[in-house]
Amino acid sequence: DVKVTQSSRYLVKRTGEKVFLECVQDMDHENMFWYRQDPGLGLRLIYFSYDVKMKEKGDIPEGYSVSREKKERFSLILESASTNQTSMYLCASGREGNQPQHFGDGTRLSIL
Amino acid sequence: GESVGLHLPTLSVQEGDNSIINCAYSNSASDYFIWYKQESGKGPQFIIDIRSNMDKRQGQRVTVLLNKTVKHLSLQIAATQPGDSAVYFCAENPGGYNKLIFGAGTRLAVHP
Repeated sequence: DVKVTQSSRYLVKRTGEKVFLECVQDMDHENMFWYRQDPGLGLRLIYFSYDVKMKEKGDIPEGYSVSREKKERFSLILESASTNQTSMYLCASGREGNQPQHFGDGTRLSIL
Repeated sequence: GESVGLHLPTLSVQEGDNSIINCAYSNSASDYFIWYKQESGKGPQFIIDIRSNMDKRQGQRVTVLLNKTVKHLSLQIAATQPGDSAVYFCAENPGGYNKLIFGAGTRLAVHP
């Protein structure tokens, strides 16, 4: 089975902090994705990566950056956390082409 | 988590009945579609997928129907069980790097 592991289930940080969310997949997938999920807004794509060191902006990249130094690991960075970034963050990975994305169980991030 | 279900349409069914969850997709160029199930506190879980050259695909207790003429997708669950209670999302791939567009979701509530 595909395993996508997010480093934290719950995280509480303060406004202005730099926050790192980590995601690791074990299936050698080319593509990796970061989403946020908010009530009434569904899943929104923040960034994705289709190869090591490659990244593309999704629909809501403002206030975020990403890093993919190794194929299995994709990190989401909140450069200076703000309260409107309080959300559920979901990482996913998938193969190229018409293949399903596989999700981790999410990190519920609260910015105080 | 629990907040995923807020503001979503809800389908209530009796245990043992068949469930039909509907989804209207947006892009006529989409050639790949997926259904996901999200239980409380977990990430979306892949259920079944279908490519645009098919109009029906069956899995274990689930069937996906695709009507490209009206851009409509449905998920049928046979003999619905309490464990099927969750939020269900459809997703479409309009092409390129397997970026998915997700529907808003439907909450399925199964009553004994």
